[in-house]
Amino acid sequence: NAGVTQTPKFQVLKTGQSMTLQCAQDMNHEYMSWYRQDPGMGLRLIHYSVGAGITDQGEVPNGYNVSRSTTEDFPLRLLSAAPSQTSVYFCASRKPGTANEKLFFGSGTQLSVL
Amino acid sequence: GENVEQHPSTLSVQEGDSAVIKCTYSDSASNYFPWYKQELGKRPQLIIDIRSNVGEKKDQRIAVTLNKTAKHFSLHITETQPEDSAVYFCAARNSNSGYALNFGKGTSLLVTP
Repeated sequence: NAGVTQTPKFQVLKTGQSMTLQCAQDMNHEYMSWYRQDPGMGLRLIHYSVGAGITDQGEVPNGYNVSRSTTEDFPLRLLSAAPSQTSVYFCASRKPGTANEKLFFGSGTQLSVL
Repeated sequence: GENVEQHPSTLSVQEGDSAVIKCTYSDSASNYFPWYKQELGKRPQLIIDIRSNVGEKKDQRIAVTLNKTAKHFSLHITETQPEDSAVYFCAARNSNSGYALNFGKGTSLLVTP
């Protein structure tokens, strides 16, 4: 299994540009989520999904859109990038239920918005 | 919503000493408390977790304690080694919020030889 795969690893955008951060997992995990990591701020939840066709907002959803058309993929869209969105983005997934709540993280995407 | 506070933000210890990181949470309905370790430039990885029906859990040199009354939990690392140097994040989840984890802001631990 490849686990959780994120692309790209690095991206530089200009203010106002749009882009999609890709996230895919091959572990048949129903739960997927996106976090952003900023210095001194920890990991903040942007959006999450408990299954195909179901998404919900996290702590910091403004400026981001998500969709979940398949179990495997959970892309994060920036419609009009702003410098405040400069951050490291992590996608994470886990199995449903409470027997094993381990979150599997992708390797991250470092995004700079100029 | 749930608010998780983590202290200290930085911690420096000598190799062989113990390290303790403390977290408090606000939502009394929270029932799952994991700890993640993130080495420089790497992804966070789960190192230990505890549920609200347990007061303490150990795994080799790592232990987590939970005080539900006071709403705080702690990570204890004994006999620290340089490879323990990393950022540690605590988190909390309550069943009412589904699967969403709320993370603390992290503790940067440095173990000096």
